[in-house]
Amino acid sequence: GAGVSQSPSNKVTEKGKDVELRCDPISGHTALYWYRQSLGQGLEFLIYFQGNSAPDKSGLPSDRFSAERTGGSVSTLTIQRTQQEDSAVYLCASSLRAVGSQQYFGPGTRLTVT
Amino acid sequence: AQKVTQAQTEISVVEKEDVTLDCVYETRDTTYYLFWYKQPPSGELVFLIRRNSFDEQNEISGRYSWNFQKSTSSFNFTITASQVVDSAVYFCALSEAFRNQFYFGTGTSLTVIP
Repeated sequence: GAGVSQSPSNKVTEKGKDVELRCDPISGHTALYWYRQSLGQGLEFLIYFQGNSAPDKSGLPSDRFSAERTGGSVSTLTIQRTQQEDSAVYLCASSLRAVGSQQYFGPGTRLTVT
Repeated sequence: AQKVTQAQTEISVVEKEDVTLDCVYETRDTTYYLFWYKQPPSGELVFLIRRNSFDEQNEISGRYSWNFQKSTSSFNFTITASQVVDSAVYFCALSEAFRNQFYFGTGTSLTVIP
């Protein structure tokens, strides 16, 4: 079956502009996660969804970051007024259940803020 | 404090050598899950293994083996007879049962030299 997909694969934007990153999880997966990976770094947890709700938003770096999930499926991560330090690969993952399940990762969106 | 520590940032081995990647975790929960993921140069993370905190049995899968020791809070990963295709960044991760957040280590970059 289809894996996790993300779009766009690459995004170059000017400082100050808003961007939207999209994640399509595996069908039937109730949990969805967003991570940020800066060059040569580990994965920084941003937010996770159980269904359409996000019980844990503690990882969002600032109020410029927001995310939503609709219909228990597609999720959008929005970064407003982008800054150069937002440049990173944004990874999405989904899992069948919330606790302790294997996460399936998408290929990521490489965001470059100029 | 780091929940997951991978002290080895980079390792280089010659093909056919064995190599062990260390992972030390920190949690107060009695129920938790440990994972290893592989991130090849192509970038997409690939799941390797999941262990729950109640199962300390070591596991072997082909050339891969995992040593889980609660007494030292470690979950080490050994590749036997390494191959060039094993070159990748390997991440260890922790998921606590009552907080559905994944904590990833900073990764170990493994280079297998032919």
